[in-house]
Amino acid sequence: EVQLVESGGVVVQPGGSLRLSCAASGFTFDDYTMHWVRQAPGKGLEWVSLISWDGGSTYYADSVKGRFTISRDNSKNSLYLQMNSLRTEDTALYYCAKSGGDSGSYYDYWGQGTLVTVSS
Amino acid sequence: SYVLTQPPSVSVAPGKTARITCGGNNIGSKSVHWYQQKPGQAPVLVIYYDSDRPSGIPERFSGSNSGNTATLTISRVEAGDEADYYCQVWDSSSDHRGVFGTGTKVTVL
Repeated sequence: EVQLVESGGVVVQPGGSLRLSCAASGFTFDDYTMHWVRQAPGKGLEWVSLISWDGGSTYYADSVKGRFTISRDNSKNSLYLQMNSLRTEDTALYYCAKSGGDSGSYYDYWGQGTLVTVSS
Repeated sequence: SYVLTQPPSVSVAPGKTARITCGGNNIGSKSVHWYQQKPGQAPVLVIYYDSDRPSGIPERFSGSNSGNTATLTISRVEAGDEADYYCQVWDSSSDHRGVFGTGTKVTVL
């Protein structure tokens, strides 16, 4: 059974930093592209970032480019999101998602999310 | 950047058919995926590559995509289908990024 478990969400002040983690199990982690997707309270889904199976390619939404860094440790079956220079608009539930299919263009499994609140 | 537009809400009586549209420039040239999200839960994939269903998703869920509109159709709607639905594409035209639609709240009357 595929499981994705996010952690690391807390309340942080504007300008602060945070590192989210996602522990994966139930599939061959290093075969798949992984994503972070977020959802602000009461709002829709927003794609945040992608990392290829080997970490060689990464992409970011314009809203987080230059502030967030995605990474992975295939030896630990873990995905990470380093979040710097946090803004109030970064407040959201952050989901880790596994890519599906050969193209990796959709998300076939999601974690339950970890809540990041940016507030003074 | 690529934009996907959905109606904010759709209401449907039990047993009837709900159609949720997702509009985008020449979306028919892209692969469209659909997610169902119930309150307090993570999204669930219900349609991928325009019209394929993951295992465990009822046949009542179907999808189509042509021109500037993709459509998710839910036949014989049940109370348990009440949820938010999001379309999604992968946009690699200028930069690589995921794009979600604005979301549609389906209410079962």
